[in-house]
Amino acid sequence: SQTIHQWPATLVQPVGSPLSLECTVEGTSNPNLYWYRQAAGRGLQLLFYSVGIGQISSEVPQNLSASRPQDRQFILSSKKLLLSDSGFYLCAWSVGVFTGNSPLHFGNGTRLTVT
Amino acid sequence: EDQVTQSPEALRLQEGESSSLNCSYTVSGLRGLFWYRQDPGKGPEFLFTLYSAGEEKEKERLKATLTKKESFLHITAPKPEDSATYLCAVSSSASKIIFGSGTRLSIRP
Repeated sequence: SQTIHQWPATLVQPVGSPLSLECTVEGTSNPNLYWYRQAAGRGLQLLFYSVGIGQISSEVPQNLSASRPQDRQFILSSKKLLLSDSGFYLCAWSVGVFTGNSPLHFGNGTRLTVT
Repeated sequence: EDQVTQSPEALRLQEGESSSLNCSYTVSGLRGLFWYRQDPGKGPEFLFTLYSAGEEKEKERLKATLTKKESFLHITAPKPEDSATYLCAVSSSASKIIFGSGTRLSIRP
């Protein structure tokens, strides 16, 4: 069966510091990978998605970037964190990309607090 | 613009008290509607996919239904362990998957 791992689970970082969140998927090949951010009381916001190694689509202009160095590895980064980057970051994978018969499967998230 | 709205924002029920959660959507060309359960501090867990009006899916005490404008998640005789936030999401031909803001369900023993 497929599993998705995200780490760390929680992170407290000062403003201006760099960020690296990692996500890996096991048990499937060529997954479509996603980074979402969830703010309290609001829906999930799509940040990036990737359909293959080195292929990154950005949905929201911001202080963050994403990379996919390996088939089942997805990384979310920032060079300098802002207070507004605080939130709950979720990695997800799917078989198809934004198709009706391909639900997203999420990791357990990283709670990021920028102080 | 595609939109997904969930109501109510929060719902408190007594154990055994059945109710329904609503997900209203406005999309151009529905490809699929998804329901998720999210426990505090965890990622959403996939429950159901619905594709066309009239379709129904069931899992234990949960039953999801779909019309051309909305979906309902019916919960029958809920237990405290059903307490969670339930998220609705839609996939359309014009946009990426869009999530509603969720309904926080609390079941009192």
